[in-house]
Amino acid sequence: DSGVTQTPKHLITATGQRVTLRCSPRSGDLSVYWYQQSLDQGLQFLIHYYNGEERAKGNILERFSAQQFPDLHSELNLSSLELGDSALYFCASSVAASSGGELFFGEGSRLTVL
Amino acid sequence: AQSVTQLGSHVSVSEGALVLLRCNYSSSVPPYLFWYVQYPNQGLQLLLKYTTGATLVKGINGFEAEFKKSETSFHLTKPSAHMSDAAEYFCAVSERTGGRRALTFGSGTRLQVQP
Repeated sequence: DSGVTQTPKHLITATGQRVTLRCSPRSGDLSVYWYQQSLDQGLQFLIHYYNGEERAKGNILERFSAQQFPDLHSELNLSSLELGDSALYFCASSVAASSGGELFFGEGSRLTVL
Repeated sequence: AQSVTQLGSHVSVSEGALVLLRCNYSSSVPPYLFWYVQYPNQGLQLLLKYTTGATLVKGINGFEAEFKKSETSFHLTKPSAHMSDAAEYFCAVSERTGGRRALTFGSGTRLQVQP
């Protein structure tokens, strides 16, 4: 158990819809990272928040947005969903703003868009 | 810009045989290097990491990796495979740019262990 909690574990929805994925980092961790894992794209970095502020953006689509709240949990919002958005979405956390790469991952939220 | 190449998307070994998973990286500055493992239906967990110092690093579950700067490699090895090692393994590189470190993952290698 990494200490990172993601909900929901599974989500099935239709094209055009909007979903919200939630992540609670490990106790004491200030950084939250979001990754997308799909068969064709592999593990792609989406976005990084540190103590409520956006620190880095990766390959995140404009239809996607994220935020980190004062209690440090984070939400990833995916809108106008397309079939290609079906993937496993991981949240990871670390103590520092720049972890050097040692991240603690949740078990992921599997999104299926029909 | 940094990148990671994992040679072989699938590797199959017999139980008790040597495990060798290959990773090559490109980085314009001294990198930090990592191996993560993903068991079925789970998130990634850190196996081992290299930051500075000794180039042979030992991780959990009997795995180790050696940083070879001249070959830009960070191959993962285990002397004797166990059935429980079946998983997907990701090599990752972290490079400091603009005061921040960005982590880039390879495409992963799925390890099968045959009885």
